[in-house]
Amino acid sequence: GNSVTQMEGPVTLSEEAFLTINCTYTATGYPSLFWYVQYPGEGLQLLLKATKADDKGSNKGFEATYRKETTSFHLEKGSVQVSDSAVYFCALSDLRYGEYGNKLVFGAGTILRVKS
Amino acid sequence: DGGITQSPKYLFRKEGQNVTLSCEQNLNHDAMYWYRQDPGQGLRLIYYSQIVNDFQKGDIAEGYSVSREKKESFPLTVTSAQKNPTAFYLCASKGGGNQPQHFGDGTRLSIL
Repeated sequence: GNSVTQMEGPVTLSEEAFLTINCTYTATGYPSLFWYVQYPGEGLQLLLKATKADDKGSNKGFEATYRKETTSFHLEKGSVQVSDSAVYFCALSDLRYGEYGNKLVFGAGTILRVKS
Repeated sequence: DGGITQSPKYLFRKEGQNVTLSCEQNLNHDAMYWYRQDPGQGLRLIYYSQIVNDFQKGDIAEGYSVSREKKESFPLTVTSAQKNPTAFYLCASKGGGNQPQHFGDGTRLSIL
């Protein structure tokens, strides 16, 4: 079945450090890939997405590239801020199969803490 | 502004009691979802509905029930059969094709 694996956290960085959060997936077909962010006590917000191989999603300085050959979608940011402290979820959605057509499969989430 | 509204933000349940969590969307989305989030875990799908008057069980449907009488609304009932209901519950909706799911702000359910 489909699954998503994220690096375990928490990840603790100083302000302006480089961020990488690893995400790999297992899926049949051609999934769309997403990164969502969750701030304390809130729901999930879409951060970025990619719908096919070699697509790069980007938003608010965050980037992730859909790598089919390594089944990965790692999240990166060149210079993190304290306000980036949150939980980050990698997810996939496979639209090729009816049963999973509109469902998301989530990773366990990675806590990011940025210190000033 | 379009969005998803979940209520209440906090809910307390007594032993043997059923409680209902509300989810309303004005995004004109066909599909709606309920997820459960436990500490240190990802989201797990409880139920989903792709169209009015139709819904399917997700991965952890036991002890929960839903209805979809209107496109805008997808309430979740946590029944007394759910023995460990304490969690953060998230509702989502989605438009067609490659559109992403949009989430509400969640309801935190606790046991008295």
